[in-house]
Amino acid sequence: EIVLTQSPGTLSLSPGERATLSCRASQSVSSNYLAWYQQKPGQAPRLLIYGASSRASGIPDRFSGSGSGADFTLTISRLEPEDFAVYYCQQYGSSPFTFGGGTKVEIK
Amino acid sequence: QVQLVQSGAEVKKPGASVNVSCKASGYTFTSYAMHWVRQAPGQRLEWMGWINAANGNTKYSQKFQGRLTITRDTSASTAYMELSALRSEDTAVYYCARGGSGNLCGLNWGQGTLVSVSS
Repeated sequence: EIVLTQSPGTLSLSPGERATLSCRASQSVSSNYLAWYQQKPGQAPRLLIYGASSRASGIPDRFSGSGSGADFTLTISRLEPEDFAVYYCQQYGSSPFTFGGGTKVEIK
Repeated sequence: QVQLVQSGAEVKKPGASVNVSCKASGYTFTSYAMHWVRQAPGQRLEWMGWINAANGNTKYSQKFQGRLTITRDTSASTAYMELSALRSEDTAVYYCARGGSGNLCGLNWGQGTLVSVSS
């Protein structure tokens, strides 16, 4: 089973700042099948990025994904008030399709 | 637009089974897989398994083998998740999620169903 480790656990930033979130896999993710989700309290997750770098439908271009192999990054170029949430990465290249522990982006 | 509407919250005793439904609309049900993901309180998301809505083939996480059954009713555009031999650690919010290309799990998500297991 592939273990995903996200860092940092919490990111304290102000609106307008840049956020950089990391997701490291215990082994290479097949076909770079790595997705990022946003989850707000009491809500279901929302798909942001798939295939490591492709934005899902309707996702603003301030969200971008990069990386390959076992090292991936989600960048939010300029934080908007609605972006403060928990972000999860997930690999879907090898069953079971595991999730990371999440990074909470909070208002500083 | 795509909607996944799940059945309501459940309270179960240890050893019992729970069945959660997920009714899909806004797309061709048989063209996409349906995944099930759960989230225990304060925990990370956990993928459980998926079903090919076209032919009914399933794949489960080894963790749930023998306890998890995912089925679908194409005439009703509905997927079902049954988890048996419940224990307190199964207390969680259970989500269905529409699959995408290459095993992508979560194009769209249901609203979640809270399953509480307590004696």
